[in-house]
Amino acid sequence: ETGVTQSPTHLIKTRGQQVTLRCSSQSGHNTVSWYQQALGQGPQFIFQYYREEENGRGNFPPRFSGLQFPNYSSELNVNALELDDSALYLCASSKERLSYNEQFFGPGTRLTVL
Amino acid sequence: GESVGLHLPTLSVQEGDNSIINCAYSNSASDYFIWYKQESGKGPQFIIDIRSNMDKRQGQRVTVLLNKTVKHLSLQIAATQPGDSAVYFCAENSGSARQLTFGSGTQLTVLP
Repeated sequence: ETGVTQSPTHLIKTRGQQVTLRCSSQSGHNTVSWYQQALGQGPQFIFQYYREEENGRGNFPPRFSGLQFPNYSSELNVNALELDDSALYLCASSKERLSYNEQFFGPGTRLTVL
Repeated sequence: GESVGLHLPTLSVQEGDNSIINCAYSNSASDYFIWYKQESGKGPQFIIDIRSNMDKRQGQRVTVLLNKTVKHLSLQIAATQPGDSAVYFCAENSGSARQLTFGSGTQLTVLP
């Protein structure tokens, strides 16, 4: 186990709805990255949070947003859900940004959009 | 296109044999690479990493080789076991946020 937890495990939503996914980072880690993994694909970087601020963003629209809290846990919010948002959402925590530190992944949240 | 990829989609090996999983990358400025293992229903798990100032790195039963000339890396698993069955990803760690860029993965199946 990596010490990174995510909730919920599974989620079913309908198009147009909004969803919030949560991630608790490993103790001592101040950086959280979110990834989207479509079925049969590798994870794709959504964004990263470092000390409560967005530190970098991948090629995802603004309806994907996030937060990081003082305890370094994080949320991923997706508005106006589309069918293509169905995927496994992974968060990964690391000790510091901009370094060669290992990123530890949680088990993911499986989102299904109907 | 993808900056990391060219995996075979599947690889089957006999238990006890050695496995070799290959990966190519396109960004010559990439300086850090990681291999991950992902079992069904789980998040990616770190296996081994290598920086661009190295050609080879060894771990327990695993070896990563990096060929910067042809922008290729490989993961070798010695004496493959049933527990090695999983999807293997190579990832490049770069960008302003040191984010991971993954390839599409190789499904390794270990045959009894």
